[in-house]
Amino acid sequence: QQQVRQSSQSLTVWEGETAILNCSYENSAFDYFPWYQQFPGEGPALLIAIRSVSDKKEDGRFTIFFNKREKNLSLHIKDSQPGDSATYFCAASASSGSWQLIFGSGTQLTVMP
Amino acid sequence: AQTIHQWPVAEIKAVGSPLSLGCTIKGKSSPNLYWYWQATGGTLQQLFYSITVGQVESVVQLNLSASRPKDDQFILSTEKLLLSHSGFYLCAVQANTEVFFGKGTRLTVV
Repeated sequence: QQQVRQSSQSLTVWEGETAILNCSYENSAFDYFPWYQQFPGEGPALLIAIRSVSDKKEDGRFTIFFNKREKNLSLHIKDSQPGDSATYFCAASASSGSWQLIFGSGTQLTVMP
Repeated sequence: AQTIHQWPVAEIKAVGSPLSLGCTIKGKSSPNLYWYWQATGGTLQQLFYSITVGQVESVVQLNLSASRPKDDQFILSTEKLLLSHSGFYLCAVQANTEVFFGKGTRLTVV
């Protein structure tokens, strides 16, 4: 059973559009949700993160919308650029208990020029 | 800010041979350290974590072991590689709640 689920394996958008990547989770104890961006052959880089006490987190062109009741969140990438083409991982962790960061399966984003 | 150095960058090893991958952290004392494994095109699976020297917890069994001989060093090893060990190995360090990854080691077992 996947604890963190990313519904789309891949997503293609045109340059300038808003890309929306979705994520859902099972464990109600999860309270921290980072998104990572990974380019081929590189380690994942922390992009933006949100805590469960907030419903929105914005950083430049990147925004997380969080719905605790529905146990889902989404990453919006505004004004998408070809350089945003990468794999995006949603992850989750709980501040109580043994610390693990659980990753979703990733969404490969392609931004067409 | 902390830096993470992983070595080697890539390895091609024969089935049944031993393996040792390393990770050194600079810029943070007494860090929480992690090993992750990523199959090609796959998700990241946490393998081990360590909160202090000499103490390592296993998250998933993959016929691998890990050790933390120094505060800033984390080693992943096995005496006998399997084909299924191929993939991308990532060392990570935790700073508060944020987790930062190294550049990884690409392992190909043939």
